[in-house]
Amino acid sequence: NAGVTQTPKFRVLKTGQSMTLLCAQDMNHEYMYWYRQDPGMGLRLIHYSVGEGTTAKGEVPDGYNVSRLKKQNFLLGLESAAPSQTSVYFCASKELDSNQPQHFGDGTRLSIL
Amino acid sequence: GQNIDQPTEMTATEGAIVQINCTYQTSGFNGLFWYQQHAGEAPTFLSYNVLDGLEEKGRFSSFLSRSKGYSYLLLKELQMKDSASYLCAEEDSNYQLIWGAGTKLIIKP
Repeated sequence: NAGVTQTPKFRVLKTGQSMTLLCAQDMNHEYMYWYRQDPGMGLRLIHYSVGEGTTAKGEVPDGYNVSRLKKQNFLLGLESAAPSQTSVYFCASKELDSNQPQHFGDGTRLSIL
Repeated sequence: GQNIDQPTEMTATEGAIVQINCTYQTSGFNGLFWYQQHAGEAPTFLSYNVLDGLEEKGRFSSFLSRSKGYSYLLLKELQMKDSASYLCAEEDSNYQLIWGAGTKLIIKP
């Protein structure tokens, strides 16, 4: 019963490098989300998906891209990493119904030097 | 934009009761969630309110007043393991959550 799995758990990048964060869910959820969490701030939505093959921008999409080629996977890409992208990244998924909670992965701690 | 306001930090004593308040803007409101987040861990779901009133789940209860844009989370019989951040989140009409910055709850013996 894995739920939402994020890889990697930790990563250090140099400015300008690119990488992809992976999120997989085994609950057959339609909706998936990528957030970043910074000290003193609420979770901020980067991108989200309402189903396989669809993606949409959230509150802070600049510098990130996403893909949802398979229903169970949601990938977050950093095209050219910047120190301002140092953060903890959380992936979440939920069922279609409005009263259902989002389920979170354990997070990816990313540092950009 | 929409703002979620909750206190930054609260301190309470083991065995006591604490109430964590949350206010939100009412336009496009579709429900109110509370999550618990221990340091270095993922948020976990605690409660959901969409109608006015109190929802009770063991030691935790959550209250909602839609007309006032106000909710609170009530924690009874506090235990040391309840030391965590408590996140209030409003669900909008697009099923997206708008998150407060969280309330860090410190429990003292």
